[in-house]
Amino acid sequence: ETGVTQSPTHLIKTRGQQVTLRCSSQSGHNTVSWYQQALGQGPQFIFQYYREEENGRGNFPPRFSGLQFPNYSSELNVNALELDDSALYLCASSLGGVSPYNEQFFGPGTRLTVL
Amino acid sequence: AQSVTQLDSQVPVFEEAPVELRCNYSSSVSVYLFWYVQYPNQGLQLLLKYLSGSTLVKGINGFEAEFNKSQTSFHLRKPSVHISDTAEYFCAVIYTGTASKLTFGTGTRLQVTL
Repeated sequence: ETGVTQSPTHLIKTRGQQVTLRCSSQSGHNTVSWYQQALGQGPQFIFQYYREEENGRGNFPPRFSGLQFPNYSSELNVNALELDDSALYLCASSLGGVSPYNEQFFGPGTRLTVL
Repeated sequence: AQSVTQLDSQVPVFEEAPVELRCNYSSSVSVYLFWYVQYPNQGLQLLLKYLSGSTLVKGINGFEAEFNKSQTSFHLRKPSVHISDTAEYFCAVIYTGTASKLTFGTGTRLQVTL
């Protein structure tokens, strides 16, 4: 069984640019959540997708957007990058929707550096 | 506001000594509680969770935690640590009514030395 994978592993961008991060869910998982982990901090919830629909959003501006595809893979898009967007971006997949009883499995993350 | 507090940013401990990592959360509603471990350059791995039932939960790698509702705490313990336990540990909470949104603490760095 393949776990959660993310690409790319590292990425360097400049302020004002746009970036797309990708996540492949664990096999059969229909829910994906994205988190931002700044250096020295705990992860912060960005948003969650369940069966291709956004199902909850954290305190992030609209320039953070996402998609979930029919195969349940997902993208995180960030427009107009700012220096404070530099962080490790984690995605987590789970099975069966939005119940807290469904364990979230995390990918290794994408390290984004904004210069 | 919903928040999770891990007061200890770093905990140094000698190998084979016991350790406790503290976690407190703010709450006026029911919660679900988790501990995750993060090794360098890796994602998060679930150590243990409290969803309901017994307040003492056991997890992987010999860790356990106890849910104390009156003190709104969920401290993580291990009776004897190993060098390989050196990592960052995060306490996380799902508050009732927030679907499966995890709210994390800022983490505790456990440093095990000989």
